[in-house]
Amino acid sequence: NAGVMQNPRHLVRRRGQEARLRCSPMKGHSHVYWYRQLPEEGLKFMVYLQKENIIDESGMPKERFSAEFPKEGPSILRIQQVVRGDSAAYFCASSPAGSGNTIYFGEGSWLTVV
Amino acid sequence: KQEVTQIPAALSVPEGENLVLNCSFTDSAIYNLQWFRQDPGKGLTSLLLIQSSQREQTSGRLNASLDKSSGRSTLYIAASQPGDSATYLCAVSPGDYKLSFGAGTTVTVRA
Repeated sequence: NAGVMQNPRHLVRRRGQEARLRCSPMKGHSHVYWYRQLPEEGLKFMVYLQKENIIDESGMPKERFSAEFPKEGPSILRIQQVVRGDSAAYFCASSPAGSGNTIYFGEGSWLTVV
Repeated sequence: KQEVTQIPAALSVPEGENLVLNCSFTDSAIYNLQWFRQDPGKGLTSLLLIQSSQREQTSGRLNASLDKSSGRSTLYIAASQPGDSATYLCAVSPGDYKLSFGAGTTVTVRA
């Protein structure tokens, strides 16, 4: 039973380029969450999605960031026109329900903006 | 707004010594608290989850206590081993998916 799968694990982008991070939840999980870990900081919630729906995006920066979880395929976190401050580890997590359950985290995608 | 603090930020001990990691949170209205382990360049592994009605949880050499009224949790690791070297994260949940994480305690166990 594969865990939460994220790719790419490491991504380098130049300032102004786009970054796309993908996440496949654990089998049987329909709830996906994205968290960001900035250097020397704790993980911060970004967005919560179910299939084809964004449930809560209160932690997403207002500009340049978007997320989707289509009916088929992985969830995608998209960062347009990346800046150096976007350099961080982006973690995806999934659960079988939205609350009261253990959330399982992927191994993260490390974005470096040069 | 929930604030989670972990002290110390880093800890180095000789093999065999017991580890004590502290976590404090400002809002006691939590649903549960989790301790995670994070290895360098890796994701998070859930170690222990304590529901708000519980006082402690144990798994092998790990024991976590929770004092919700004072906003504190402690993770004890008995008889530490070099393989315990990692960053340990504490996270509290208000009952939904928005975990609030501390910045972690980085542990080094010297052989």
